[in-house]
Amino acid sequence: DGGITQSPKYLFRKEGQNVTLSCEQNLNHDAMYWYRQDPGQGLRLIYYSQIVNDFQKGDIAEGYSVSREKKESFPLTVTSAQKNPTAFYLCASSIGRDNEKLFFGSGTQLSVL
Amino acid sequence: RKEVEQDPGPFNVPEGATVAFNCTYSNSASQSFFWYRQDCRKEPKLLMSVYSSGNEDGRFTAQLNRASQYISLLIRDSKLSDSATYLCVVRSNTGGFKTIFGAGTRLFVKA
Repeated sequence: DGGITQSPKYLFRKEGQNVTLSCEQNLNHDAMYWYRQDPGQGLRLIYYSQIVNDFQKGDIAEGYSVSREKKESFPLTVTSAQKNPTAFYLCASSIGRDNEKLFFGSGTQLSVL
Repeated sequence: RKEVEQDPGPFNVPEGATVAFNCTYSNSASQSFFWYRQDCRKEPKLLMSVYSSGNEDGRFTAQLNRASQYISLLIRDSKLSDSATYLCVVRSNTGGFKTIFGAGTRLFVKA
């Protein structure tokens, strides 16, 4: 079945540690996105990518980094510079950046030890 | 002012009740509107798009009022399985496409 796979489902980070969240899609979508969700807030865009080897900052990119070396993969690294990383992270894709319909992965809950 | 605002709820209703949610948006140039459903700690899923003429999908009816800049979702004959958070989503194209998510309205349907 086509879809988006995020892993791991739960992740714990120690102080000063970088952690990487995986996102893989087999929908052949060009555009991919990372969102952060905090309790009582809407999803906020961290980074997005419209094509391979290109990505753009979203509204809250500080403390995060991404890469897009393959069309199928868009990993997100939460760096030690992100001082409040505890949140639910959602990866999404769409056919193109202009396409309205978003397909989401099942999310990763990141917590700080 | 938030770009998309929703009443956070929670709305607690008995099975069979009719419940309505409203959502307001601040960007008058917004072009597309959606309702997503999100279960606890799971991904949002598209419930329905919202069209200017209003649209219905079974027990769900969505309305758009561009003049007042709000959209609504009406759920008739609520089921236990309708319990979830409903996200209002607005998309605009001012300097590039942008999708804004509301914080969501929580619904609990009780037996």
